[in-house]
Amino acid sequence: DIQMTQSPSSLSASVGDRVTITCRASQGISNSLAWFQQKPGKAPKSLIYAASSLQSGVPSKFSGSGSGTDFTLTISSLQPEDFATYYCQQYKSYPITFGQGTRLEIK
Amino acid sequence: QVQLVDSGGGVVQPGGSLRLSCAASGFTFSSYAMHWVRQAPVKGLEWVAVISYDGTNKYYADSVKGRFTISRDNSKNTLYLQMNSLRVEDTAVYYCARTVSSGCYSPVDYWGQGTLVTVSS
Repeated sequence: DIQMTQSPSSLSASVGDRVTITCRASQGISNSLAWFQQKPGKAPKSLIYAASSLQSGVPSKFSGSGSGTDFTLTISSLQPEDFATYYCQQYKSYPITFGQGTRLEIK
Repeated sequence: QVQLVDSGGGVVQPGGSLRLSCAASGFTFSSYAMHWVRQAPVKGLEWVAVISYDGTNKYYADSVKGRFTISRDNSKNTLYLQMNSLRVEDTAVYYCARTVSSGCYSPVDYWGQGTLVTVSS
């Protein structure tokens, strides 16, 4: 199975900040990497697929990059609604696997 | 607009069975592969199973293989998850999710709201 490791596990930031979350795969997955946002008590929301493509309706403040084993999610100009937990996911091979999540909190 | 409505959750004893449903609307259901993903209380996301657009290809997580069965009825625009031999560790919110295409190796774009399954004696 492909292991997905996110860092950091939690992150404190202020409104207006720019933050970056990292996701590392235990083996190469090309660009078969997605990012999701989840708020407490809510279903996940799809943000990015194919490592860097925005899902429809997702604002351009979210951006993704990477290929192979190392990937990043960057969120610019943080707003109160951006504070949530973020997950990466590989869909290169089965079983599909998720990172453990990064909790983004308001400083 | 795309809508996925999960239902069928509840409280069941260990060893029991439950069938979850995901009613789809707002798109051509028969053209898309579909997933089930679960989340145990205060835990991360765990992929459970996937089915191709026509039901011919299915994959399962090792943790549910042989106990859970994913299926679909394209005439009813509905996805199912039959869960047998339930264990305490299957307690979770279960979400259905749509992929962006017909195949199983494509990313997810839309999610249902989730349905809670509690396995407890």
